[in-house]
Amino acid sequence: DIQMTQSPSTVSASAGDRVTITCRASESTNSWLAWYQQKPGKAPKLLIYQASSLESGVPSRFSGSGSGTEFTLTISSLQPDDFATYYCQQYNSNPWTFGQGTKVEIK
Amino acid sequence: EVQLVESGGGLVQPGGSLRLSCAASGFTFSSYWMHWVRQAPGKGLVWLSRIHSDGSTIYADSVKGRFTISRDNAKNTLYLQMNSLRAEDTAVYHCVREMNTGNYRTADYWGQGTLVTVSS
Repeated sequence: DIQMTQSPSTVSASAGDRVTITCRASESTNSWLAWYQQKPGKAPKLLIYQASSLESGVPSRFSGSGSGTEFTLTISSLQPDDFATYYCQQYNSNPWTFGQGTKVEIK
Repeated sequence: EVQLVESGGGLVQPGGSLRLSCAASGFTFSSYWMHWVRQAPGKGLVWLSRIHSDGSTIYADSVKGRFTISRDNAKNTLYLQMNSLRAEDTAVYHCVREMNTGNYRTADYWGQGTLVTVSS
């Protein structure tokens, strides 16, 4: 199975800050990488797929980049609604595997 | 609006069984591949199983032989039959829709989940 590792585990930030989360894969996932946002008690929400494609309806302050084994999710200007946990996920091969999550908390 | 609503979770003893259901609406259920993904309390997401629109299935090693995924396209419902449950199966179980465009596809909609607790 492909192992996915996110860093950092927690980010403390203020509204308006630029936030970057990194996801590394144990082997190449090509560009088959997605990012999800999850709030407590809620379903995960797809933000980015194919490493950099923004899902319909997702604000443009979210962006993704990378290919192969290293990927980045960037929130250009953190909004109050963005405080949540973020997961990366590879879908290059079965089984789908997820990173351990990065919690974005209020500084 | 796409909706996925899970039900059937609860408290079950180790070695017991439970069947989860996921009622789908807002899209042509029969045309989509569907998945189950779980999340243990305070932990990350773990993929469990997938069923194609034609009924073919695959499973994670951790549940192979114990869990069975199935679907009833006439009822727009996805199921997960869970047998021989263990304490480590305690988790919120999410029903997930796989997008149906492109050669490589990921999950585009998730249900909120149903909690399964395995304890004596």
